[in-house]
Amino acid sequence: QLQLQESGPGLVQPSATLSLTCSVSGVSINSTSYYWGWVRQSPGKGLEWIGNIYYTGAASYTPSLKSRVTISLDTSKSQFSLKVNSMTAADTAIYYCVREAYYFGYTFDIWGQGTMVPVSS
Amino acid sequence: DIQMTQSPSSLSASVGDRVTITCRASQSIGSYVNWYHQKPGNAPKLLIYAASSLQSGVSSRFTGSGSGTEFTLTISNLQPEDFATYFCQHSYTGRLFGGGTKVEIK
Repeated sequence: QLQLQESGPGLVQPSATLSLTCSVSGVSINSTSYYWGWVRQSPGKGLEWIGNIYYTGAASYTPSLKSRVTISLDTSKSQFSLKVNSMTAADTAIYYCVREAYYFGYTFDIWGQGTMVPVSS
Repeated sequence: DIQMTQSPSSLSASVGDRVTITCRASQSIGSYVNWYHQKPGNAPKLLIYAASSLQSGVSSRFTGSGSGTEFTLTISNLQPEDFATYFCQHSYTGRLFGGGTKVEIK
């Protein structure tokens, strides 16, 4: 069964770096058909796409976060990861890992359950 | 950036009703629009892709239409499990979500 599962810290301090990992099961992360990405959701900003990565390692990021975000891939572990540096209270959100498929436009067809990341000292 | 304005932000409806939600894009985006719904405590779930194509396993009570700048999601014969928040999303340039429509029980 295709499944995405986020893991990471329950709390991040202001100015620290957030590190999250998404474990992929039920499909090859090396597939040429999909991208692997991150979406976050906060009460103030709603749903926001952060970026994605292709099996080749090529990554794309939303412009507003590009300077602070890195997405990487570990095919041997069937995982991909998100790092966001210089975290502030505005980055408090539920972070979802997602599979992006191209169905005449990029579509988030599979979602992880999400992990809440509060930013607080 | 191409903005997506979703309306209404909330609505009340009864079981069996027909409900329509609209997303308007700030410029033409072809058919690059998807629709999701989200129940409390859960991740969003894909319903419609490419403006009008029904995702596998999703009820045929959900219908998407539109192109260019105006898109609609129609839910026919509203069922108890349909009370949720609905989002549109475009991928014309980058990826952007609408603000959401909360469908509540009247």
